[in-house]
Amino acid sequence: DTGVSQDPRHKITKRGQNVTFRCDPISEHNRLYWYRQTLGQGPEFLTYFQNEAQLEKSRLLSDRFSAERPKGSFSTLEIQRTEQGDSAMYLCASSLLSGTGNTIYFGEGSWLTVV
Amino acid sequence: AQTVTQSQPEMSVQEAETVTLSCTYDTSESDYYLFWYKQPPSRQMILVIRQEAYKQQNATENRFSVNFQKAAKSFSLKISDSQLGDAAMYFCAYRSAKNGNKLVFGAGTILRVKS
Repeated sequence: DTGVSQDPRHKITKRGQNVTFRCDPISEHNRLYWYRQTLGQGPEFLTYFQNEAQLEKSRLLSDRFSAERPKGSFSTLEIQRTEQGDSAMYLCASSLLSGTGNTIYFGEGSWLTVV
Repeated sequence: AQTVTQSQPEMSVQEAETVTLSCTYDTSESDYYLFWYKQPPSRQMILVIRQEAYKQQNATENRFSVNFQKAAKSFSLKISDSQLGDAAMYFCAYRSAKNGNKLVFGAGTILRVKS
């Protein structure tokens, strides 16, 4: 068990380009979450998956954002036509399904800078 | 919607001393979970301590303890015998027991530990 891993850790992209982040959750964790964190703020919920089904999306997740978890294992978060306001850290997290009090484990995050 | 407020942007403590970080929250629910997460400079969020709202007893984890005041909607974190490794950003977070699909975070408190 190596924890939640995210790739890449840092990405610098030009405005208008597309970027994709990958998250590998802790094995056997059937819930996977994406959060966004800007400097000086707490993380904000974006979306979550239960196995391969995307069950909730925040209003923060505009049409330019899409997340997938094709086989219920790893997940990708794609941002199309990036804007400077997308600059943030994108955090992935995972947990077990049973019990809403189950601990959510976070990855180290993927930093995005849009120039 | 639930909100979490951390009114101390930054706190300092002398090594070996005790410090208390404040957190208040707003909810209309009676059953929920509260968490303190630590985010060191390496950026991975680590769970410090959790509290179930239905439990009257305050949670304790080694040097970390909470003061949970349900009626006042207050959830402070006390760190005893502070160590240099405690220096980090600390986030208070709320999770509904009914719809525990996401964590709602406060803005965080930076804790500095002086040697």
